[in-house]
This record gives sequence, C-alpha cells and structure tokens, in this order.
Amino acid sequence: DTGVSQNPRHKITKRGQNVTFRCDPISEHNRLYWYRQTLGQGPEFLTYFQNEAQLEKSRLLSDRFSAERPKGSFSTLEIQRTEQGDSAMYLCASSLLQGGFTEAFFGQGTRLTVV
Amino acid sequence: AQTVTQSQPEMSVQEAETVTLSCTYDTSESDYYLFWYKQPPSRQMILVIRQEAYKQQNATENRFSVNFQKAAKSFSLKISDSQLGDAAMYFCAYRSAYGGATNKLIFGTGTLLAVQP
Repeated sequence: DTGVSQNPRHKITKRGQNVTFRCDPISEHNRLYWYRQTLGQGPEFLTYFQNEAQLEKSRLLSDRFSAERPKGSFSTLEIQRTEQGDSAMYLCASSLLQGGFTEAFFGQGTRLTVV
Repeated sequence: AQTVTQSQPEMSVQEAETVTLSCTYDTSESDYYLFWYKQPPSRQMILVIRQEAYKQQNATENRFSVNFQKAAKSFSLKISDSQLGDAAMYFCAYRSAYGGATNKLIFGTGTLLAVQP
C-alpha cells in the first residue's frame, strides 16, 4: 500500500456537467476526509466518514455535492451541475481511529477546472 | 469556531540560513493539536511537525522546530539550515483533541517559502 490514491489527477469539465472523483485510502484506515483547496487558500473541510458512515458535512457541501463510502473502503465525491466556482483542488485524507494521536495522510488531489 | 491565521503569504530564505514562519490561532478548547504541513508543487501534503497543546516543551524534528506560546495562541515554525528541497507551501493547522470529534483539520492560508541557492 503506497498511500492515499486519488483519481483522476486532473479533470476539465464544462459548466453544468456532472463529475465524480475517487479516493482510495490507506487500506486499514477507517477515517476518511474530503477537503477543498482553492487558489491561495488552505484546504477547507468538506465531509468526514468513519467506516461507511458519513458523520459530518460542512456547510460548504451544497446539495449539488454528494459523497459516499460504500463498505467503508474507497470513497467518491460527485458534483452535479458544476459551476465555475467549483474549480479547485479536491483533497482526500485518511487516518486510523484508535486511542491516542494518529496522523492523517493526504492524497495528491484531483484538480477540477470548470470552463 | 476555531480559526488559524498565517500572515506571511510569501517568505524567502538563503540556502543554509534559518527562517521562521508565523501562525496564530484562536480556540476556546484546552486540548488540541497544532501542525505544520508542507505541500510541495504538485505533490501531496505531508506532516512536518506536530505539537500537543498540553505539552510545554516545544516539538523538534531534525531541522524543524516550533515555538509554541499557548497563552498568546502563537505557533511558529523554524527551519534551520534551509535546503532547496524545503521550498514549498507551508500550512499551519489545528485539530481538536477531544474524543468523539471528527478530528478534522482547520488550515491557515499558507506561506509560500522560496529557498535561494
């Protein structure tokens, strides 16, 4: 296992189209996070999964956004009816829920450009 | 709500010199972690160093050290003997340490560090 994997790395889409991103976390990690990073900003939290349960969603996650983590393994983030403001880097991170501190590991991200 | 502020959008340092990146944060919690993450161009974010709020001793990791001032809510990163490979965007981040929390990270806006040969 070489770390958190995100696909695709880059996505260019026309406004109004739907897009889906995939994140494969480190295999034993039961916590999974999605963040969005716009130009000149730090990553902002979007949503959190513990196993297959989506336990927290940011107000940034409008009703056009949906995330799933079937069977507690990989996760998908879908954006419907994309808008130019959705252009950003979408980062996935995973960690292990256990006692004490555990580090979150990040993927390389999916860069979305909406034209 | 917790916030993290990085007031230096860009910094520059000569190779082999020392540079300090600044970060302030705001929280009402007493138990938390603070982090510095490095994000090289087109590569994933990696953890550089972390500090537990309950520890008075400042964390160090090789050439990286922090100055944690809990009362002032300040958390700076010092990079000694800067190397060309240190050039990257650096993010300061906060995470609650309370059990049951999602442990989501709250990031600052980042400092872009350039290292001059």
